[in-house]
Amino acid sequence: SAVISQKPSRDICQRGTSLTIQCQVDSQVTMMFWYRQQPGQSLTLIATANQGSEATYESGFVIDKFPISRPNLTFSTLTVSNMSPEDSSIYLCSVERHGTEAFFGQGTRLTVV
Amino acid sequence: KQEVTQIPAALSVPEGENLVLNCSFTDSAIYNLQWFRQDPGKGLTSLLLIQSSQREQTSGRLNASLDKSSGRSTLYIAASQPGDSATYLCAVNQAGTALIFGKGTTLSVSS
Repeated sequence: SAVISQKPSRDICQRGTSLTIQCQVDSQVTMMFWYRQQPGQSLTLIATANQGSEATYESGFVIDKFPISRPNLTFSTLTVSNMSPEDSSIYLCSVERHGTEAFFGQGTRLTVV
Repeated sequence: KQEVTQIPAALSVPEGENLVLNCSFTDSAIYNLQWFRQDPGKGLTSLLLIQSSQREQTSGRLNASLDKSSGRSTLYIAASQPGDSATYLCAVNQAGTALIFGKGTTLSVSS
């Protein structure tokens, strides 16, 4: 298994500000994934973070709004920029071991007021 | 485009009952299927992973089956307990993609 530490676990932020979420894995992984879960919905992939290259964003998500860093094989950050109440969601990072089983962090519950 | 559907959306049972959660997917070309548990406002906990060549996996009171040709999976929970109350998510993995999730089944087990 993989142990993923994600922080902060929750935050309440003012609109127009930015929040950076950190994700630390206990071992090296090639790809890390960032998901968003809006209230009452399932998970939607935001982007795939690869070490040493730009993140790959899914349709509907752009780098200016969700910049991602991946400085090494155990760490990644997701920033939610210029926040609005519509950004209120749970944000989760995930890794896959050996291309099969996926593991998730405990999530960041973001409320924008 | 792969779509994952879970039924029912919500389920309430008394403690001790056995229950089945259903998951279906539209494209049978999957690498594996994974069941997760999510407590309110929290992250996901992996319960069971079934690879495409397997038919079922068991862990304690949980048993997951996979029928890839028909695009179906079930999660069987035996002797349910109040601590099993959570949302259960099914997700499939295909070549070159991240997981594709269903919307989940919210389970409530009353004592």
